[in-house]
Amino acid sequence: ETGVTQTPRHLVMGMTNKKSLKCEQHLGHNAMYWYKQSAKKPLELMFVYSLEERVENNSVPSRFSPECPNSSHLFLHLHTLQPEDSALYLCASSQEPLGLSTYNSPLHFGNGTRLTVT
Amino acid sequence: SQQGEEDPQALSIQEGENATMNCSYKTSINNLQWYRQNSGRGLVHLILIRSNEREKHSGRLRVTLDTSKKSSSLLITASRAADTASYFCATDSRTGGFKTIFGAGTRLFVKA
Repeated sequence: ETGVTQTPRHLVMGMTNKKSLKCEQHLGHNAMYWYKQSAKKPLELMFVYSLEERVENNSVPSRFSPECPNSSHLFLHLHTLQPEDSALYLCASSQEPLGLSTYNSPLHFGNGTRLTVT
Repeated sequence: SQQGEEDPQALSIQEGENATMNCSYKTSINNLQWYRQNSGRGLVHLILIRSNEREKHSGRLRVTLDTSKKSSSLLITASRAADTASYFCATDSRTGGFKTIFGAGTRLFVKA
């Protein structure tokens, strides 16, 4: 196992539903990330949290709402999604040097949530 | 925005052969990383090479970095069917902070 657990593994939701993706890391890391992976496109960084504070919001639509209640847990709340939001959503964590605004340490990924919006 | 671009997009080789994948990037970097992704799974970190390093080895993996050409290569020697996966290079982005930005990846298929 990777040390980063994502649930659920698969999710099918309608455009009017509200759902949440969950990520938990067991590595004691201080930074967590959400990435979106669509077919034939590079991974897109969505959000970065460092010590439970959001440090990056990469122009993500407001229908995606992240939450980081503590350094081990990260959620992505979904509402009023579009079919083009169907993708693999990957959570990752890393241990970053404190006091620096760089986030380049190796990332540890979960196995993702395959989201299908109908 | 995409920083690294892998080449080729897809590669098919026989077991036992070497596989070489290339990555080019646009701006100066602190480090470059390579990751592997098996189908339907998350990415796994393989190796990190810093901007002041030129070559790094890890088992059957050899990574080179040429900062003057803004390029890197990943060589997998004596490939195995289990090496079948997508391989991504990742660099830091100097736009709005330093974050790991991934390329589109190379799909490697190793035939047994």
